[in-house]
Amino acid sequence: DGGITQSPKYLFRKEGQNVTLSCEQNLNHDAMYWYRQDPGQGLRLIYYSQIVNDFQKGDIAEGYSVSREKKESFPLTVTSAQKNPTAFYLCAVRDRGYTEAFFGQGTRLTVV
Amino acid sequence: GNSVTQMEGPVTLSEEAFLTINCTYTATGYPSLFWYVQYPGEGLQLLLKATKADDKGSNKGFEATYRKETTSFHLEKGSVQVSDSAVYFCALSAFTGTASKLTFGTGTRLQVTL
Repeated sequence: DGGITQSPKYLFRKEGQNVTLSCEQNLNHDAMYWYRQDPGQGLRLIYYSQIVNDFQKGDIAEGYSVSREKKESFPLTVTSAQKNPTAFYLCAVRDRGYTEAFFGQGTRLTVV
Repeated sequence: GNSVTQMEGPVTLSEEAFLTINCTYTATGYPSLFWYVQYPGEGLQLLLKATKADDKGSNKGFEATYRKETTSFHLEKGSVQVSDSAVYFCALSAFTGTASKLTFGTGTRLQVTL
């Protein structure tokens, strides 16, 4: 499983609710990323963090929020402002050399 | 900005056929290049990588060569198996300002039949 744990695997959200997706890593890597995957559109970057207590917006940050209080954890909150949140969400980590990324198993979020 | 273009799928092949999935990129500087594979309902797994021009990445019978002159990183395999059926993503890593980001192609679905 590569030392990256995403939970839950499936998540259902009602209209107007905020939900939080968990990403935990034990690889001791500095950089963590959240991507959204929609069918036929590849991966789009939501937020990333290169160091604890610091993070930056990616290409599609509107309607999402993150925190990085610990090196091991980078939770993503999907707020009610995100109008089309149904998607597959992937967390990734990279080491200080910024070479390849290692991915979690993903969380599938569905609005009901 | 940086970008990756992959051939559209799906690609349907018979078992033991030769595979090529084309990938070209646009980037400033000297990016690192990657191929990832995704099986249904799972995250992405690194398949192979190349960090400088003329490097050849290889793994599990798959190969790709970093061609700077043609800005390409085509994925090849000499004899595909049914178990290779998956979605394949080409990606590059490059610095944008002070941050290193990964840019992905849209993915190519491969279906291998008996």
